[in-house]
Amino acid sequence: EAGVAQSPRYKIIEKRQSVAFWCNPISGHATLYWYQQILGQGPKLLIQFQNNGVVDDSQLPKDRFSAERLKGVDSTLKIQPAKLEDSAVYLCASSSSGGASSEQYFGPGTRLTVT
Amino acid sequence: GQSLEQPSEVTAVEGAIVQINCTYQTSGFYGLSWYQQHDGGAPTFLSYNGLDGLEETGRFSSFLSRSDSYGYLLLQELQMKDSASYFCALNNAGNMLTFGGGTRLMVKP
Repeated sequence: EAGVAQSPRYKIIEKRQSVAFWCNPISGHATLYWYQQILGQGPKLLIQFQNNGVVDDSQLPKDRFSAERLKGVDSTLKIQPAKLEDSAVYLCASSSSGGASSEQYFGPGTRLTVT
Repeated sequence: GQSLEQPSEVTAVEGAIVQINCTYQTSGFYGLSWYQQHDGGAPTFLSYNGLDGLEETGRFSSFLSRSDSYGYLLLQELQMKDSASYFCALNNAGNMLTFGGGTRLMVKP
């Protein structure tokens, strides 16, 4: 079974530029998550989708971050405009359901550097 | 809000047993999960405790005590490949995870 796919793997941009990340979850997984992981810290949940609906986006900085999952499969996360503090690894994860004990499968992440 | 605390770093020798502790503060949660992450890699699921007590999966065991707001991950027969970061995480409604800061485990020969 193919894992969670993410692209690009690396991205370097200047502050105030925009950037987009793409994620394709494991086939059949209804729940998709985006996390931000700053170097040396644990992942921080940004947004959770169940199919194509948002379950929780309380930690998403909505003035600059947006995410969508239009057809309930793949998803994009956008930052516009980027700030220096957005430098991090952006991880996408999926699970078969939103049940409390469902294992989350993580993709390899996109490492973003904002200069 | 929720918060979790873990030691930042632990060192052990190959073949030994190591315990990584996790204390948390929360008004409610469903369970405690553990994830492993190698440098530059993706987090991978290790275990989940929904109830108090010990869960065993091969060389790894995890424990939860809700009354003590405490859990731990026990790794036995350490191997060099176990050198990685280990994260405890609180499972909330909808399977939303709140992660701790992680413990970097270094296994020495």
